Amino acid sequence: AQSVAQPEDQVNVAEGNPLTVKCTYSVSGNPYLFWYVQYPNRGLQFLLKYITGDNLVKGSYGFEAEFNKSQTSFHLKKPSALVSDSALYFCAVRDSILTGGGNKLTFGTGTQLKVEL
Amino acid sequence: DSGVTQTPKHLITATGQRVTLRCSPRSGDLSVYWYQQSLDQGLQFLIQYYNGEERAKGNILERFSAQQFPDLHSELNLSSLELGDSALYFCASSPDSSGLYEQYFGPGTRLTVT
Repeated sequence: AQSVAQPEDQVNVAEGNPLTVKCTYSVSGNPYLFWYVQYPNRGLQFLLKYITGDNLVKGSYGFEAEFNKSQTSFHLKKPSALVSDSALYFCAVRDSILTGGGNKLTFGTGTQLKVEL
Repeated sequence: DSGVTQTPKHLITATGQRVTLRCSPRSGDLSVYWYQQSLDQGLQFLIQYYNGEERAKGNILERFSAQQFPDLHSELNLSSLELGDSALYFCASSPDSSGLYEQYFGPGTRLTVT
């Protein structure tokens, strides 16, 4: 089965500094990878995805992610963090379920990002 | 706003009861997914429907069931509720069943079982 790991429960960064939220994956076949963000008492918002193509993927709100096949990683990055970026971030991988032709997202445990002034 | 709507936002009920959660997907999306988010289990996939048919099943209890109607809205039925069923239940939708498209999530229904 596909899986993703987010090794850090929390990441603290000062506003204006670059941020990185780490994610590693384990898949059979080609990985379809996603990042989502969850603000308190809200649903998950899609940030970006990697399906194929360029290893550097650009997404919403200035976020980007770097796909690294050799390291099986898909780290989320932003050059300059904002206090408003403080939220819970989830990495996810598509898990195709061949029987019935369905699919699902398998999520990591989430990383709480705290951006301080 | 993702375009996915869920009702109700909050639900408080007693053990042993039955509840129904409702989801309307984004306009044009044919796939609906249900997820459960709890502190101890994290985000867990429950079930997927595509154009009215069940396509994938995850860690869904036998006490839980779902369906997708001809107008594409979906309902998740939870019965014989237990304290451990207290969680946030999310619905998500995507255009098809390929998994190539991102899933858009609704705001969730917070279920509290007392």
